[in-house]
Amino acid sequence: DTAVSQTPKYLVTQMGNDKSIKCEQNLGHDTMYWYKQDSKKFLKIMFSYNNKELIINETVPNRFSPKSPDKAHLNLHINSLELGDSAVYFCASSQVAGHSGNTIYFGEGSWLTVV
Amino acid sequence: AQSVTQPDIHITVSEGASLELRCNYSYGATPYLFWYVQSPGQGLQLLLKYFSGDTLVQGIKGFEAEFKRSQSSFNLRKPSVHWSDAAEYFCAVGTFFTGNQFYFGTGTSLTVIP
Repeated sequence: DTAVSQTPKYLVTQMGNDKSIKCEQNLGHDTMYWYKQDSKKFLKIMFSYNNKELIINETVPNRFSPKSPDKAHLNLHINSLELGDSAVYFCASSQVAGHSGNTIYFGEGSWLTVV
Repeated sequence: AQSVTQPDIHITVSEGASLELRCNYSYGATPYLFWYVQSPGQGLQLLLKYFSGDTLVQGIKGFEAEFKRSQSSFNLRKPSVHWSDAAEYFCAVGTFFTGNQFYFGTGTSLTVIP
């Protein structure tokens, strides 16, 4: 079973459209994230949720809105897509640090192309 | 502020040669350190991690890394590189006192020559 799964894997859409990327984790983790990887491979955190509560919200346009219906899901909705939104979006999850430490597990990425 | 630096943007090695990828971090407390690998068109896979204890950690695929507090480094090594190791490698530091934040380096792209 895939630990962190996100859909769709590939998405091509026109400027101005609204799209969503879904993410689910079956690891029982409390924390979920969205990262954006740009064309230079740089990974930057966008959002982090802990038990459905937003705890990190980096400088991201408010066209991006995360939604966490429960702690196993964190969806990303993007309004009015722009060319610069083209990137790979990674969902991830982790457990809060404990004796076993903390590791972040990534989904396989969603390749978004805005044309 | 926490940060991670990977000084080498791109490295090319011959198959069978040894490999060392550099990672330096900036963090005030004891860090949690990670190395991830990203193959072309794929997600990120955890290679190894350091939390505490032995400063030389072993990972998957024959990789190891050594934590050196005095140098604020966590370099990744492999004694003999295989062609399948060609990928992007990311070092990351985790801090769990500021909202469970992870900071990634900018990555090192590895090319393996047959």
